[in-house]
Amino acid sequence: DTEVTQTPKHLVMGMTNKKSLKCEQHMGHRAMYWYKQKAKKPPELMFVYSYEKLSINESVPSRFSPECPNSSLLNLHLHALQPEDSALYLCASRSLAGINEQYFGPGTRLTVT
Amino acid sequence: RKEVEQDPGPFNVPEGATVAFNCTYSNSASQSFFWYRQDCRKEPKLLMSVYSSGNEDGRFTAQLNRASQYISLLIRDSKLSDSATYLCVVNMNTGFQKLVFGTGTRLLVSP
Repeated sequence: DTEVTQTPKHLVMGMTNKKSLKCEQHMGHRAMYWYKQKAKKPPELMFVYSYEKLSINESVPSRFSPECPNSSLLNLHLHALQPEDSALYLCASRSLAGINEQYFGPGTRLTVT
Repeated sequence: RKEVEQDPGPFNVPEGATVAFNCTYSNSASQSFFWYRQDCRKEPKLLMSVYSSGNEDGRFTAQLNRASQYISLLIRDSKLSDSATYLCVVNMNTGFQKLVFGTGTRLLVSP
């Protein structure tokens, strides 16, 4: 099973709202990722967690706050977003051994109004 | 120079055609290489990993040329359902965790 799940599928939020995106995998992968993707562009890396610790932050604004409560879960907390933050947010996971193929969840389509 | 470069296309081919995409990468220490397929408004899906000796999966063949630092994807007997964007992804081996994506090559297969 190579499934990564994400909730919600769609989210509309105002600029003063606080919301969270959730991601879950049960493949035993110890690396989990958040990407942001705009239309007609490749995924853009935001954060990487390795063994539940934040290992990469690609200079993401603090209005995005990641959290990794355990090895299966990854959250992205959103606060005071801007309309330009509207995008598809993708979660992915990857084993840290072997071939290291990365598997994506279906994404959350976020609209900031 | 970009870390991973692809021709954005689009490549317009008729059904049944053979089409090939190349992808170049800048870091000679790169260790792992992948092709992903992404349909419009969907997540990227792993198509195949690329092994040093080259590998084939049905109509798809992937090759790695370390000397020239490029990977390729060959699709034989194109189907309408192959229409998608194909993303080249490289593990630059900088701390092992970060994958770098090419901009993607768009393929349109027509009847």
